[in-house]
Amino acid sequence: GAVVSQHPSRVICKSGTSVKIECRSLDFQATTMFWYRQFPKQSLMLMATSNEGSKATYEQGVEKDKFLINHASLTLSTLTVTSAHPEDSSFYICSATRYGGVGETQYFGPGTRLLVL
Amino acid sequence: EDKVVQSPLSLVVHEGDTVTLNCSYEVTNFRSLLWYKQEKKAPTFLFMLTSSGIEKKSGRLSSILDKKELFSILNITATQTGDSAIYLCAVEARRNSGGSNYKLTFGKGTLLTVNP
Repeated sequence: GAVVSQHPSRVICKSGTSVKIECRSLDFQATTMFWYRQFPKQSLMLMATSNEGSKATYEQGVEKDKFLINHASLTLSTLTVTSAHPEDSSFYICSATRYGGVGETQYFGPGTRLLVL
Repeated sequence: EDKVVQSPLSLVVHEGDTVTLNCSYEVTNFRSLLWYKQEKKAPTFLFMLTSSGIEKKSGRLSSILDKKELFSILNITATQTGDSAIYLCAVEARRNSGGSNYKLTFGKGTLLTVNP
């Protein structure tokens, strides 16, 4: 099946720093990538939808200036958490889809665990 | 706002038991319902359901959708310790803003623990 990677898998940073997380589709071209956040014992919450070559679509309540998304190519999307604070500590998961739809054709990355001290 | 509710939130059973996990939803522009299994990392896909009354099976797992009553169940028979995980239900729906964009809304999941 299709493979999506994320890097780094785990990051610890100081409050106020910025953290960049990469999401790559390794063996297919992803027209759309999704970024989710999952707090402990909570479900996955969609943060934004990233389309290659256009601006990301953010969900209600997600600050676009704080969570910068760049989908520079068909195989790479990045999420930058700017001026991270302890409340941003969470599990960030990306997913990618080949054809712009979701569901069965959506492939999840392994996730990035962010801890902000 | 789209809503997906799963029950129970957690469940502890013994190996060999059969379990039924529930998922109800309220969404506009429904397209499909999906079940995922999440262990320590990202979710892995189990089933996608689009039509009512058609059971999907994969080994000891099966699932069915009722689009009239807006719910789905996931059954696991002869449970094993390796089935211990969080089972997530998600509904795929078109964005309210229209266009061809779809998104997934996840439930909170059911934490299943299978004891030997």
